[in-house]
Amino acid sequence: EAGVAQSPRYKIIEKRQSVAFWCNPISGHATLYWYQQILGQGPKLLIQFQNNGVVDDSQLPKDRFSAERLKGVDSTLKIQPAKLEDSAVYLCASSAGQSVQAFFGQGTRLTVV
Amino acid sequence: ELKVEQNPLFLSMQEGKNYTIYCNYSTTSDRLYWYRQDPGKSLESLFVLLSNGAVKQEGRLMASLDTKARLSTLHITAAVHDLSATYFCAVRFRNSGYALNFGKGTSLLVTP
Repeated sequence: EAGVAQSPRYKIIEKRQSVAFWCNPISGHATLYWYQQILGQGPKLLIQFQNNGVVDDSQLPKDRFSAERLKGVDSTLKIQPAKLEDSAVYLCASSAGQSVQAFFGQGTRLTVV
Repeated sequence: ELKVEQNPLFLSMQEGKNYTIYCNYSTTSDRLYWYRQDPGKSLESLFVLLSNGAVKQEGRLMASLDTKARLSTLHITAAVHDLSATYFCAVRFRNSGYALNFGKGTSLLVTP
């Protein structure tokens, strides 16, 4: 079974620029998560989707971050404008349902300079 | 406040030795996961613990859960170099949604 696919793997941008990340979950997985992992820390949830609806976005910095999951499959996470402190690995995960185990993608490493 | 605390954060151990990583959490949990992360890689699920007294073992790793103490342990037996990685515990707190709350991770280095 194919895993969670993310692209790009790496991205370097200047502060105040915008960037977008893409995630393709495991086929049939209704629940999709975006996590932010800052170097030396554990992942922190940014947003959770159930199909194409948002379940939890309480920790998403909505003034600069946005995410969508059109048609309940692929998802994109956007940052505009980026700040230096946004440098992190952005992990996408998916699960068959809200109460079952999530599988993680390899992540996108963002460096803001 | 929902907290997950791991200790130690860094661990250097010799091959063949035993050690335990601890994970404390702040309030009632629905389930607890242990993940492994190699440098530059994503998270690999090791164990999921659902109930008090649960114990799971895979190779040289054994995880246990004490929900009354709000404590999980990951015990390493006769460590080998291949176990060098960062280990995270992640807790899904009851009545706070389905997302996982991660500890800061324990960076393990096994040396000859």
